[in-house]
Amino acid sequence: GENVEQHPSTLSVQEGDSAVIKCTYSDSASNYFPWYKQELGKRPQLIIDIRSNVGEKKDQRIAVTLNKTAKHFSLHITETQPEDSAVYFCAASTPGFQKLVFGTGTRLLVSP
Amino acid sequence: DTAVSQTPKYLVTQMGNDKSIKCEQNLGHDTMYWYKQDSKKFLKIMFSYNNKELIINETVPNRFSPKSPDKAHLNLHINSLELGDSAVYFCASSTGTLQNYGYTFGSGTRLTVV
Repeated sequence: GENVEQHPSTLSVQEGDSAVIKCTYSDSASNYFPWYKQELGKRPQLIIDIRSNVGEKKDQRIAVTLNKTAKHFSLHITETQPEDSAVYFCAASTPGFQKLVFGTGTRLLVSP
Repeated sequence: DTAVSQTPKYLVTQMGNDKSIKCEQNLGHDTMYWYKQDSKKFLKIMFSYNNKELIINETVPNRFSPKSPDKAHLNLHINSLELGDSAVYFCASSTGTLQNYGYTFGSGTRLTVV
């Protein structure tokens, strides 16, 4: 089955810096890669996603890149703000399996 | 209107008890899920139902029994609760084509077994 690895497990940055979180997946048939943000005590919420026919997607300060050959994808947050502090999860979905397999999460701390 | 709602939000109970968690979605989604988030924040799928039919049953102890009376509801009943069952349980839903919209999660149920 699909396996998703995520790094780093924790990431501390100063406000205004960029943050990058990386994930690798095992099943080359996976074709959908969402990212979720989970604030303390809250539910995970979808912040951006990418499909396998696209190499990069941007939404204001966040972007996701996908390298199908290497089977990895990354989340990039620019001009980080304290409210970006949260746990971020990557996930992957394989056609026919109808489920998301999540990475182990990255705790991002943005210091003012 | 809350899209995916879970009750209760908090549940504290003693070992050996039986408890249920309820989930309802008003998004018209076909598929609903239960995920367990442990103390290290790892999200692991437990069950999935599509239009009231069980389609995913991961390696979960048979003390856990899901029930879907209709496609808008998915409940989770847990028998003989153990300390290791303490976690946050999230319900989620998606359309039939998962790749279009991903999941919408409920607000979670924090279960503490003492």
